[in-house]
Amino acid sequence: GDSVTQMEGPVTLSEEAFLTINCTYTATGYPSLFWYVQYPGEGLQLLLKATKADDKGSNKGFEATYRKETTSFHLEKGSVQVSDSAVYFCALSDRTNFGNEKLTFGTGTRLTIIP
Amino acid sequence: DAGVTQSPTHLIKTRGQHVTLRCSPISGHKSVSWYQQVLGQGPQFIFQYYEKEERGRGNFPDRFSARQFPNYSSELNVNALLLGDSALYLCASSLRQAGGIDEQFFGPGTRLTVL
Repeated sequence: GDSVTQMEGPVTLSEEAFLTINCTYTATGYPSLFWYVQYPGEGLQLLLKATKADDKGSNKGFEATYRKETTSFHLEKGSVQVSDSAVYFCALSDRTNFGNEKLTFGTGTRLTIIP
Repeated sequence: DAGVTQSPTHLIKTRGQHVTLRCSPISGHKSVSWYQQVLGQGPQFIFQYYEKEERGRGNFPDRFSARQFPNYSSELNVNALLLGDSALYLCASSLRQAGGIDEQFFGPGTRLTVL
């Protein structure tokens, strides 16, 4: 079945450091890929997405490129801020009988940014 | 506009009891999905409902059931609770547009503790 493997956490960085969180996936078809962020005490928020190979998703300074050849979707940000501290989840969509609704998530990576 | 709402926020039950969790989707959204997030893990897909019909089911026992009402709100029911059912239960809604990728909007979740 489909699966997502992401970088083990926790990750601690200083403010303005470069961030990479690795994500690789296994899927039988051609999934869409997502990064979700979960702030303390809140639900999941979609950070960015990519629907086909070589697509680049971007939002709030974060970027990720859909790499079919390496089955990867690594999350990057050039200069992190304290407000980026959260748990980040890589996910893929699996087409159910009626559209792309089921999300398969990785285990999450907790990111802490130190001032 | 209100986002996805869930009730209750927190719930404490004992083993063997039954629980009902409720979700109201974003206005206009007809698809509702349920996920279980065990502490330290990524969310796991439980059900998807669209137009009051089950459209997808994850790998959960028959103790888990759900339904969607004419106003598109949804209930998740869990019978014969086990300690392992303790988790954050997330509800997500989407427009279910024809074609393309639907963004799923998550609620804040219901924290269920089974003692």
